Amino acid sequence: RKEVEQDPGPFNVPEGATVAFNCTYSNSASQSFFWYRQDCRKEPKLLMSVYSSGNEDGRFTAQLNRASQYISLLIRDSKLSDSATYLCVVNGAAGNKLTFGGGTRVLVKP
Amino acid sequence: GAGVSQTPSNKVTEKGKYVELRCDPISGHTALYWYRQSLGQGPEFLIYFQGTGAADDSGLPNDRFFAVRPEGSVSTLKIQRTERGDSAVYLCASSTTGGSYHEQYFGPGTRLTVT
Repeated sequence: RKEVEQDPGPFNVPEGATVAFNCTYSNSASQSFFWYRQDCRKEPKLLMSVYSSGNEDGRFTAQLNRASQYISLLIRDSKLSDSATYLCVVNGAAGNKLTFGGGTRVLVKP
Repeated sequence: GAGVSQTPSNKVTEKGKYVELRCDPISGHTALYWYRQSLGQGPEFLIYFQGTGAADDSGLPNDRFFAVRPEGSVSTLKIQRTERGDSAVYLCASSTTGGSYHEQYFGPGTRLTVT
């Protein structure tokens, strides 16, 4: 079993719609959680950190459920520019190396 | 300011050859990481440096892979006797310091192709 698992998608989303997807992680000792965005043939870039209480950044909302060991990302009012691969990322108990999921591909269409 | 830079951007080599990949982190960042990303997968951790020393090399797949950071800034990832399975994008990242909550900034990667 992979340490961080994601639905690879693609999620085909009409422009303006809401899309949500999850990831699950296996290490209950994980300390910090992130969503990174990766465009085709580009490097990953931090989208947002995920806090235990849940957090929002504009149209993006992230949630963490430690009991069930999953993280979610919701995108409201999707824009064409939101088309990308979204990587769920966990920083383990050792605190220094990021463990990435395989990514969820999102395609926003007009 | 300047971000993380990596050279070369692309490297094609023959099976069995030796390659060196270079990473220049953001100035002042003490922590440096190497990851490897295969097609359709997320990046996989290789090694983490804090200053000049390798604090965690648990992700290096075998002894053909080695990395150095002699002056605590630029790092070089070295791969001996390359195999076709080494083909991937090698990503470098840096952060202000190690630890769980510091954002890692990634470079554009080196796309390695072993023929």
